[in-house]
This record gives sequence, C-alpha cells and structure tokens, in this order.
Amino acid sequence: KAGVTQTPRYLIKTRGQQVTLSCSPISGHRSVSWYQQTPGQGLQFLFEYFSETQRNKGNFPGRFSGRQFSNSRSEMNVSTLELGDSALYLCASGGDKPEAFFGQGTRLTVV
Amino acid sequence: AQSVTQLDSQVPVFEEAPVELRCNYSSSVSVYLFWYVQYPNQGLQLLLKYLSGSTLVKGINGFEAEFNKSQTSFHLRKPSVHISDTAEYFCAVSSVMNRDDKIIFGKGTRLHILP
Repeated sequence: KAGVTQTPRYLIKTRGQQVTLSCSPISGHRSVSWYQQTPGQGLQFLFEYFSETQRNKGNFPGRFSGRQFSNSRSEMNVSTLELGDSALYLCASGGDKPEAFFGQGTRLTVV
Repeated sequence: AQSVTQLDSQVPVFEEAPVELRCNYSSSVSVYLFWYVQYPNQGLQLLLKYLSGSTLVKGINGFEAEFNKSQTSFHLRKPSVHISDTAEYFCAVSSVMNRDDKIIFGKGTRLHILP
C-alpha cells in the first residue's frame, strides 16, 4: 500500500508570490491534515479536511487555505508569501484507525 | 480538549545507555496515546500507540511506553540507544469518543546520542 505522497519535496519562492502544495493520502483514507513545522514554533496544525469539507482549523491567517478533492487528494495554498512562511509543511492522512500517517513533507523556502 | 506536555526539549544520552523521554497529557475524556519519531528532513513515523488493554506498549526499534492513567503520563523508554536513534520524538493524544477531533501533538524532544 503506497504511503502519503507530498509534492514537491523542495520549493523556493520569492516574497509576495503564492504557492500550492499537494498531498495524496493513503488509498481509502478520507481525512487529510496539514501542519507547519518550524524550529521556533514546532509542529503547528493548519487545517483538516474530511470528505471534501474542512473539519478542523488551526490559528493561521487567511493567506493559508486548502481544499480536498473527491479522490481525497488535498492541496494547500499560501498567498502573498512572507519570509516567516519558510517551513517544512507536513501532510497526514487518516482512515479508520485513530493514528495519522505522515508524508515526507515539502520544504518551502521563501527568499 | 486535550493537551500534551513533553517535559524535556532536548535529551543527551550516551550510546548504549538507557533513555526515557517524558510525556504528560491532560484530558477530561478517555484518550488514545501515540509516540512518533522524526528523522532529519523527514515526516513523522509512528513508533507505538496505546489504544486500550495492556498499559505497556511495545513499538518499533526497541522502544516501549507505559500508560499511567493516575499520573496522566505516557513515557517512552529504550534500554540501550544507538546512534541511529538520533531524532526528534513527539508524543500525541486524541479523543476516544470524538474521532472528529484532531490529534494534539507535544512540542517534541530532541534525542542526542553521544558517542
């Protein structure tokens, strides 16, 4: 069974640009969660989608948005990038079991 | 609502020595408990989980954890660490009753193995 796939693995963007990250969950999983990880703030929850609906939301500005498609794949978008958005963005999928399964992450660098 | 406290941000330990990484949680409802490991520039990987039953849970790579309900703790232990155990370890909790609630993660403990 394939794991959680995040693309791209690495990304460099300029301040003010926007970026879209993609996450394909494990087959059969309907829940996808997104996290931002930085050295200073640790692992911070962005949002969770379940069956194309946002089920939970963290405390991030509106520049951070996401969506989920009917095949459970999810995208996360960050508009008007700031230097502080540089981070490892992690996606996790969930199914019938209570634990989450993580992808390898996308390393975003904003210059 | 649940919360997780990992008492140590960094733990240095000599190779082949035992280690304990501490985790305490707070919750008004029954919980599931997890430990995840993250190697540099990787995602989080599940080490072990407590769902119910025996309070001593064994995981991958020789790790184990003990659920202590009275002390609301779920400490992670390994009798003899290797250099390959250098990583960050996250304790996490989720509600048994409300599966729609998100998993709550601690801030992580960085394990440094000294040669």
